[in-house]
Amino acid sequence: KNQVEQSPQSLIILEGKNCTLQCNYTVSPFSNLRWYKQDTGRGPVSLTIMTFSENTKSNGRYTATLDADTKQSSLHITASQLSDSASYICVVSAGTGNQFYFGTGTSLTVIP
Amino acid sequence: KAGVTQTPRYLIKTRGQQVTLSCSPISGHRSVSWYQQTPGQGLQFLFEYFSETQRNKGNFPGRFSGRQFSNSRSEMNVSTLELGDSALYLCASSYLQSNTEAFFGQGTRLTVV
Repeated sequence: KNQVEQSPQSLIILEGKNCTLQCNYTVSPFSNLRWYKQDTGRGPVSLTIMTFSENTKSNGRYTATLDADTKQSSLHITASQLSDSASYICVVSAGTGNQFYFGTGTSLTVIP
Repeated sequence: KAGVTQTPRYLIKTRGQQVTLSCSPISGHRSVSWYQQTPGQGLQFLFEYFSETQRNKGNFPGRFSGRQFSNSRSEMNVSTLELGDSALYLCASSYLQSNTEAFFGQGTRLTVV
């Protein structure tokens, strides 16, 4: 069964600290994996997109890693800011890329 | 360059009614995908349109339908609304197929009473 699981479900960290969010998937055949950030009441915004051959991709303070062998991805946030408070969603696409499987997201709260 | 525009932003309907939501993709984008987001289920894929053709469909009942026009604008229709249809409906546009970078709109918040 194609599934995407994210952990932790929620996380609270102090401003300035680093954190890592996890995404494990069983989707096959794998096409690509994306991380989105969704602020409350707004649409998701893409952070990174990685294909099978990519192990790491960065977008500012956000760094995503992908291990296609173990079917795991992580999103590392460096020097967190209050504006990082949001839900982070992992999305895996399969086949030709037109089938999508969503994680339920990690809710991150950054406190001063 | 304007982003993805969804209208209306908020909508309240009663059970049994039907509703039509609209999505205007980024200029030049030909793929539009629709998603339902609820607190309990997270984001769920509804369908994708590319060049006026439905390319892929999620696991939703036939009450959910959509179409895409020649200018790539897309509409989603839900008939015989149920309380459980209350959700945030998001659309995303991509330049080619949805395998490429997808940009989301702000969503339409539908409340069924």
